[in-house]
Amino acid sequence: DSGVTQTPKHLITATGQRVTLRCSPRSGDLSVYWYQQSLDQGLQFLIQYYNGEERAKGNILERFSAQQFPDLHSELNLSSLELGDSALYFCASSYRQGRDTQYFGPGTRLTVL
Amino acid sequence: ELKVEQNPLFLSMQEGKNYTIYCNYSTTSDRLYWYRQDPGKSLESLFVLLSNGAVKQEGRLMASLDTKARLSTLHITAAVHDLSATYFCAVGDNFNKFYFGSGTKLNVKP
Repeated sequence: DSGVTQTPKHLITATGQRVTLRCSPRSGDLSVYWYQQSLDQGLQFLIQYYNGEERAKGNILERFSAQQFPDLHSELNLSSLELGDSALYFCASSYRQGRDTQYFGPGTRLTVL
Repeated sequence: ELKVEQNPLFLSMQEGKNYTIYCNYSTTSDRLYWYRQDPGKSLESLFVLLSNGAVKQEGRLMASLDTKARLSTLHITAAVHDLSATYFCAVGDNFNKFYFGSGTKLNVKP
């Protein structure tokens, strides 16, 4: 158990819908990272927050957005969902940003029908 | 965009043998990460390599980084069945973005 929690574990929804994935980092960690894992595209870095501020943006679609709240938990919002958005979404956390070990949560499996 | 190439993509080996997984990347970086993923599970951090010549070892796994050659290796010594998993390398760039290799699926046969 990495200490990073993610909810929900599974999510099944329809095209065009909007969902929110939630992540709670390990106690004391200030950075949160979001990743997408799919068979087509492998593991992709989406976005990183440090202490509430966005610090790096990767291959995150404009339909996706994220934020980190004052209590350091983070949410990833996915809207206008398409079949191709079906994937595993992982959250990871680290104490600082950039060079620390990242601890991954169990992931949320999103299925878009 | 930084490219990360891992090879081999599949590796089937006998218990007790040694082998090396290679991770090449396209532009300068001094941040290299190795992860393990078991089927249906999340990623587990194995090593973080942050400087040229860095070498880290944990049990039967040893990772090294050559930033000049833009190459990291993950060496497996005397493989055991429990090491069967998919191994990913990831590289961080100067903008705090991270790029993953395609993964090496390792199957250690008893």
